[in-house]
Amino acid sequence: NAGVIQTPRHKVTGKGQEATLWCEPISGHSAVFWYRQTIVQGLEFLTYFRNQAPIDDSGMPKERFSAQMPNQSHSTLKIQSTQPQDSAVYLCASSPLTGAETLYFGSGTRLTVL
Amino acid sequence: QQQVRQSPQSLTVWEGETAILNCSYENSAFDYFPWYQQFPGEGPALLISILSVSNKKEDGRFTIFFNKREKKLSLHIADSQPGDSATYFCAASKGGSAKLIFGEGTKLTVSS
Repeated sequence: NAGVIQTPRHKVTGKGQEATLWCEPISGHSAVFWYRQTIVQGLEFLTYFRNQAPIDDSGMPKERFSAQMPNQSHSTLKIQSTQPQDSAVYLCASSPLTGAETLYFGSGTRLTVL
Repeated sequence: QQQVRQSPQSLTVWEGETAILNCSYENSAFDYFPWYQQFPGEGPALLISILSVSNKKEDGRFTIFFNKREKKLSLHIADSQPGDSATYFCAASKGGSAKLIFGEGTKLTVSS
């Protein structure tokens, strides 16, 4: 069991460019979550899928952020027209359950927007 | 508005001592409280959790004490080891919601 796999580990983009972050959840887990971690804001919930269906995207900035889960083996978080304030560690987690119990986090993707 | 607050921001204890990390919350609807441990360069990992129907949960050297009336909980790490040095996050969720609200974290350093 390799755990939740996130790629790339580090990504540097220029202001205004697009960034796509990838997540491979643990096989058999039915729920996938995206969180963002910064020094100032801490760990913030972004969005959540259950059985590939979007359930709660209340934490997603509406205009430039989007997340998809086209199949049970991966999810993507896309940020369009990146801004310096988007710089953060983006964490993906998966869970075998449908609630908040036992989230397994990946190591994250550190996004730096210059 | 920070719904989950942690204190202290950082804590240093000697090896063998008990470290006490505090957490408080505002929303009385929260009923599930996990603690996550995070090492640098890694994602958080679930350490121990408690439901609001309990006032204490033990798992080895880790114990959660929960006070529903005061909306406070604490994580006690007994016999602290240098390997326990990490950042600890208190989190909360309500009514079966999958959305976790995290506190700011407490950075624990255990000195030998």
